[in-house]
Amino acid sequence: EVQVLDSGGDLVQPGGSLRLSCAASGFIFSSYAMSWVRQAPGKGLEWVSSISGTGGSTYYADSVRGRFTISRDNSKGTVSLQMNSLRGEDTAVYYCVKDRNYYGSGTANWFDPWGQGTQVTVSS
Amino acid sequence: QSVLTQPPSASETPGQRVTISCSGGSSNIGRNTANWYQQLPGTAPKLLIYSNTYRPSGVPDRFTGSKSGTSASLDISGLQSEDEADYYCAAWDDSLNGWVFGGGTKLTVL
Repeated sequence: EVQVLDSGGDLVQPGGSLRLSCAASGFIFSSYAMSWVRQAPGKGLEWVSSISGTGGSTYYADSVRGRFTISRDNSKGTVSLQMNSLRGEDTAVYYCVKDRNYYGSGTANWFDPWGQGTQVTVSS
Repeated sequence: QSVLTQPPSASETPGQRVTISCSGGSSNIGRNTANWYQQLPGTAPKLLIYSNTYRPSGVPDRFTGSKSGTSASLDISGLQSEDEADYYCAAWDDSLNGWVFGGGTKLTVL
């Protein structure tokens, strides 16, 4: 069974840092891109970042570019999201998702499955 | 506001049919396929429709996706109470070089 398990959410002060992790299983990890999607309280879904199968290509939403860094360890089947200079508007549930394709971009791609989500709260 | 436009809410009675629209542009739905996700209350989103029209295994055929030009639609027939959820469309945007989501549609089964 294909599974993704996200973790690492916490309460952090504005300006602080946090690292989210996602452990994947049930598929050939290096053959698929991975992404992060977040959902602020009472709001809709917002794509955050994607990384290609070997990690050679990364993509970021404008709202997080320069502050967040996505990375992956194909030997361990994990993907991480390093979040720096956190702001109140980063408060959200963060979901790790598996992409359908290797590249993380373009057509004929979708997110499945989704992790259960991990809560990040940025507040003093 | 969201790059993809969805109605914020929809409602219909059990057994009836409802259609949820998703309006985009030439750089997203106009060039790439659209996907739909269902989020039941208090749970993580789940893939409902991929590549405009395809259903993952386990999704009832009451759910139908379509695409025309720069818009996509989700049709739900034979509405059931368990279909009450938030529905989101999404597509890759070539201009933004990233994924864009609709704002979501909250479906109420009266």
